[in-house]
Amino acid sequence: DVKVTQSSRYLVKRTGEKVFLECVQDMDHENMFWYRQDPGLGLRLIYFSYDVKMKEKGDIPEGYSVSREKKERFSLILESASTNQTSMYLCASSGSGNRYEQYFGPGTRLTVT
Amino acid sequence: AQTVTQSQPEMSVQEAETVTLSCTYDTSESDYYLFWYKQPPSRQMILVIRQEAYKQQNATENRFSVNFQKAAKSFSLKISDSQLGDAAMYFCAYRSALYVGGTASKLTFGTGTRLQVTL
Repeated sequence: DVKVTQSSRYLVKRTGEKVFLECVQDMDHENMFWYRQDPGLGLRLIYFSYDVKMKEKGDIPEGYSVSREKKERFSLILESASTNQTSMYLCASSGSGNRYEQYFGPGTRLTVT
Repeated sequence: AQTVTQSQPEMSVQEAETVTLSCTYDTSESDYYLFWYKQPPSRQMILVIRQEAYKQQNATENRFSVNFQKAAKSFSLKISDSQLGDAAMYFCAYRSALYVGGTASKLTFGTGTRLQVTL
């Protein structure tokens, strides 16, 4: 079974802190994704990576950056956390080709105070 | 840009009954994939069913089936013989079949339908 893990289930940070969310997948997938999930808005893509060191902005990249130094690991970075970044963050991975499903991690509930 | 609309924020069904969740989408592409994902209260999102737009036959997976109407851009999910474990948030999602890497591979999600299953 594909396993996508995220470093924390719950995280509380203060405004202005630098925040790292980490995601690891064990299926040698080329593609990895970071989504933000908010009630009434569904899932929105923040960033996407299709190879090591390769990244693409999604729909809402402002205030975020990403890093993919190894194929299995994809990190989301909040350079200076703000209260409007309080949300659920979901990581996903998939094989190359659009017919393949995305496999999701359990999510990280981030609260910025 | 593609959009996905789920007009039912919440639905309720009795155990053993059948329920249909609605999804419409907007696209100018002719080839694409449609998905239904389930997110139980534990939050791990899992794939329920997938439909390839070039296939006219509706996809089925055990108690789950879809009604795919390409001309109407409609993709509804039918759950038969509902079980307590079906209670979850359900998301409809669209993905282009055009693969050039980058964000062409992204999923576009609807806002979700929360399904309650009652005894």
